[in-house]
Amino acid sequence: DAGVTQSPTHLIKTRGQQVTLRCSPKSGHDTVSWYQQALGQGPQFIFQYYEEEERQRGNFPDRFSGHQFPNYSSELNVNALLLGDSALYLCASSLAGQGVGQPQHFGDGTRLSIL
Amino acid sequence: QKEVEQNSGPLSVPEGAIASLNCTYSDRVSQSFFWYRQYSGKSPELIMSIYSNGDKEDGRFTAQLNKASQYVSLLIRDSQPSDSATYLCAVNENYGQNFVFGPGTRLSVLP
Repeated sequence: DAGVTQSPTHLIKTRGQQVTLRCSPKSGHDTVSWYQQALGQGPQFIFQYYEEEERQRGNFPDRFSGHQFPNYSSELNVNALLLGDSALYLCASSLAGQGVGQPQHFGDGTRLSIL
Repeated sequence: QKEVEQNSGPLSVPEGAIASLNCTYSDRVSQSFFWYRQYSGKSPELIMSIYSNGDKEDGRFTAQLNKASQYVSLLIRDSQPSDSATYLCAVNENYGQNFVFGPGTRLSVLP
């Protein structure tokens, strides 16, 4: 049973560049959430995609955008990179449910370093 | 602003002891609560989920929830050095779409 997969594993960019991170959800899952985790902190919610639409968004600027494809995979795009964007970017997948929140399962993350 | 608070630690316990990890949350309508374990350099791994007041046991792990006090805890019995990691508390409100994570508590189990 394939878990959540993310690519690339590591990425180095310079300020002002743009980056695209990719995520394939766990088999059977239809919802993808993206988180940013700075060193020593808990993950911070960026946004969530369901049925190819952004369903909810955290407190992140418009430089952060995303997309979900018909096969449920997702991309996170960040434009005009800043030094502060250096972090571990985590993708989590879940199955949309009614009522209580469903557990989210995380991929191994993409470590983004901005020089 | 919904907040989840945890003692950042480090919490050090001897091998075989009970480790107690605590979490408080600010959003009273929160309905779903999760504990994740994160080893250094790795991604969070789901340990427990709890939705109702009371205790939920799974092996050496027990999650406790008190919605009136807005408090959730995780007990680890017979702690092992392999339990040394950061433990993240996550809270999700009913019909809410995102998880709010605490900063995590770093646990160190000493041989």
